[in-house]
Amino acid sequence: GAGVSQTPSNKVTEKGKYVELRCDPISGHTALYWYRQSLGQGPEFLIYFQGTGAADDSGLPNDRFFAVRPEGSVSTLKIQRTERGDSAVYLCASRDSAGDEQFFGPGTRLTVL
Amino acid sequence: QKEVEQNSGPLSVPEGAIASLNCTYSDRGSQSFFWYRQYSGKSPELIMFIYSNGDKEDGRFTAQLNKASQYVSLLIRDSQPSDSATYLCAVNGAGGTSYGKLTFGQGTILTVHP
Repeated sequence: GAGVSQTPSNKVTEKGKYVELRCDPISGHTALYWYRQSLGQGPEFLIYFQGTGAADDSGLPNDRFFAVRPEGSVSTLKIQRTERGDSAVYLCASRDSAGDEQFFGPGTRLTVL
Repeated sequence: QKEVEQNSGPLSVPEGAIASLNCTYSDRGSQSFFWYRQYSGKSPELIMFIYSNGDKEDGRFTAQLNKASQYVSLLIRDSQPSDSATYLCAVNGAGGTSYGKLTFGQGTILTVHP
């Protein structure tokens, strides 16, 4: 089966604009995670979905960031009023309910000019 | 103190040598521990996970866990140039809504030179 996919692979936007990043998890995986990785750092947790609901959104840095997973599959990370400090690679991962391994997608590189 | 800390790199070893990567964590309630490998420009891929104290071996890789010392390590035997990458230590949350949330270290860059 296919792995986790993310679109777009690259996104360049201007400061103040709104962006949406999409994640399509492995089919059947109930858990979905968003992480953000800055250059030279490890991934930083943002939010975790179990099914349609956000089980833990403690990593979202502020109220400009929001994520949804309306049907328990595809998820969208939404960033309003982007700032230059939002520039990073946004990684999505999914996990089967029976296991602990998180499978990562290729990431979306966001650049805010 | 950072929640997950890895030994500062970069680490350079000759081909065929043993590479030793270390990680400490602060949350005593952590239940599972992961080592990911990340090639430049790519996403992390899981190498090994470990839950119990002691050693776990998989091919050329051995993960070691000591919960009393809050320490986890990864040994790579017979290192190959293809092992050159950033190695990320990750710790799973203590339970409840934290379960599944991975906290990563900053990564250690490993270079294996021929």
